[in-house]
Amino acid sequence: GQQVMQIPQYQHVQEGEDFTTYCNSSTTLSNIQWYKQRPGGHPVFLIQLVKSGEVKKQKRLTFQFGEAKKNSSLHITATQTTDVGTYFCAGRSGGGADGLTFGKGTHLIIQP
Amino acid sequence: DAGITQSPRHKVTETGTPVTLRCHQTENHRYMYWYRQDPGHGLRLIHYSYGVKDTDKGEVSDGYSVSRSKTEDFLLTLESATSSQTSVYFCAISGLGGETQYFGPGTRLLVL
Repeated sequence: GQQVMQIPQYQHVQEGEDFTTYCNSSTTLSNIQWYKQRPGGHPVFLIQLVKSGEVKKQKRLTFQFGEAKKNSSLHITATQTTDVGTYFCAGRSGGGADGLTFGKGTHLIIQP
Repeated sequence: DAGITQSPRHKVTETGTPVTLRCHQTENHRYMYWYRQDPGHGLRLIHYSYGVKDTDKGEVSDGYSVSRSKTEDFLLTLESATSSQTSVYFCAISGLGGETQYFGPGTRLLVL
């Protein structure tokens, strides 16, 4: 079945440093989504990418979808303490009702 | 946040007892999902539903059953709880299969 690999598992940064998490799928994706989960909270949808090579920005967050639609990245510029949490990518490869396959997430830890 | 509630929010039970978790939505979304979240495993799909009385298995369905008799309610049952089912359980809803998912607040289950 479809697998979505996400690296790194953990990332420690100093506040103000940049952060990047990468997502790779074993199959071509029709779309990829990114979610954020704060400690003790539930995953919250951030963005969806659909087109090959697509780049979207949300303030300090930049999301990219690879040309082959098998990989994606999330980059945060100048991290802030509010960015702490786990970032998940989730991909959809087919048209099935089972929806998304989630990566295991990257835990972002920020040291003030 | 989308109108999704889960009950109970916390539960402690003993091995061998049946447990039912409830997910309730007010969004009239067609698709509903049950995930479990464990350290190092991310979010894993247990069961999902694509309509009233239409359900199917996910990645980790052994030991779990589901029912959906109304659009707004999706029940997850552990027929005979085991310690390996200690986890955080999230319900999610989606208007379309494979599209943006909105998560409930989660249920923390401890099986002793």
